Amino acid sequence: GESVGLHLPTLSVQEGDNSIINCAYSNSASDYFIWYKQESGKGPQFIIDIRSNMDKRQGQRVTVLLNKTVKHLSLQIAATQPGDSAVYFCAEKNTDKLIFGTGTRLQVFP
Amino acid sequence: ETGVTQTPRHLVMGMTNKKSLKCEQHLGHNAMYWYKQSAKKPLELMFVYNFKEQTENNSVPSRFSPECPNSSHLFLHLHTLQPEDSALYLCASSQDPWGVDTEAFFGQGTRLTVV
Repeated sequence: GESVGLHLPTLSVQEGDNSIINCAYSNSASDYFIWYKQESGKGPQFIIDIRSNMDKRQGQRVTVLLNKTVKHLSLQIAATQPGDSAVYFCAEKNTDKLIFGTGTRLQVFP
Repeated sequence: ETGVTQTPRHLVMGMTNKKSLKCEQHLGHNAMYWYKQSAKKPLELMFVYNFKEQTENNSVPSRFSPECPNSSHLFLHLHTLQPEDSALYLCASSQDPWGVDTEAFFGQGTRLTVV
């Protein structure tokens, strides 16, 4: 079946450290993956995406890694800041459906 | 601002009421979506519209009735809801639902409480 899951519901990191948020997906036919950030009271906001023909993509302070062998996706945030505190969702796209995981809450403490 | 606007932001309604949620996108996108977000559950896709035509109804109860009069506007009509329907309802749009590299832009959502 189709499912996207997250390994940890809550991740706490110290300001300035790097954060790694993980995601497992089960549909090997999915060809596009997106990370979203959702702050309290707001809708999900696009962070970064990656196609299935890539294994790494970098943005500003964020990197997404895709391991198709084990169907694993990760989001790395460098030098985590208080403004990074939010819930992070991975999503996989299969045909016309965007399937979301449960989400990981990232807490940044001073 | 993502270019997707939802109104109202908050809504409290009784189980016998009829209300409507509105979504408007100013991005020139062709596809629009309704998602339901409940506590501790993944975002659930409810409906997909592509070029004003409904292409997906993800087993949503008939007490939720979508309407898409044009590619820029999407409504969700609500009637005789249940308390378990209380959730954050998110609207999203994308250039099209078929292609790769088609990220969805979300509105801020309507927080619905059914009493």
